[in-house]
Amino acid sequence: GAVVSQHPSWVICKSGTSVKIECRSLDFQATTMFWYRQFPKQSLMLMATSNEGSKATYEQGVEKDKFLINHASLTLSTLTVTSAHPEDSSFYICSARDPVGNEQFFGPGTRLTVL
Amino acid sequence: RKEVEQDPGPFNVPEGATVAFNCTYSNSASQSFFWYRQDCRKEPKLLMSVYSSGNEDGRFTAQLNRASQYISLLIRDSKLSDSATYLCVVSSDSNYQLIWGAGTKLIIKP
Repeated sequence: GAVVSQHPSWVICKSGTSVKIECRSLDFQATTMFWYRQFPKQSLMLMATSNEGSKATYEQGVEKDKFLINHASLTLSTLTVTSAHPEDSSFYICSARDPVGNEQFFGPGTRLTVL
Repeated sequence: RKEVEQDPGPFNVPEGATVAFNCTYSNSASQSFFWYRQDCRKEPKLLMSVYSSGNEDGRFTAQLNRASQYISLLIRDSKLSDSATYLCVVSSDSNYQLIWGAGTKLIIKP
């Protein structure tokens, strides 16, 4: 199946710093990518839908100024957690939709720990 | 009411047993249905799509009841490697967004 990569796989940062997470579709062009967050023992929660060349669509309750999403190319979307706080510590997962088969492929996730 | 509901478990099942997962969804406009498997600290992986006619893949059988808005997954002859969290997922297709259940944790014991 198609491969989606995420970088970094884990990051530890101090409170108040910003963290950028990259999501890449390696062998297909993804016009749509999704960003999820998963807290321990909870389900994946969709944060935003990222469309190449346009602004991301954020889910209710997700601050667009805090979670900056950029989808500048058909193979790359980035999520920047600005001024991170301990409550932002979570597992962030991206997925990319292959428009050919309409299947979504998930990245391996990024574990963020904010001290 | 959650859009997709699952029993959180955990289900503790002896190796070789049959285990069944159930899931209900609230949006009658949902068009696509899936079961994903997620191992601890890993991303979810697609186990199987669920079709109205029901479908089987080896030891796994998935069924959909649109009238009751209910999805099931049956695992036969369970293996130790089946231990994971099983997530029920639905999509309306119009926006390709996936709506996730909270997952049911399965523990297979030798």
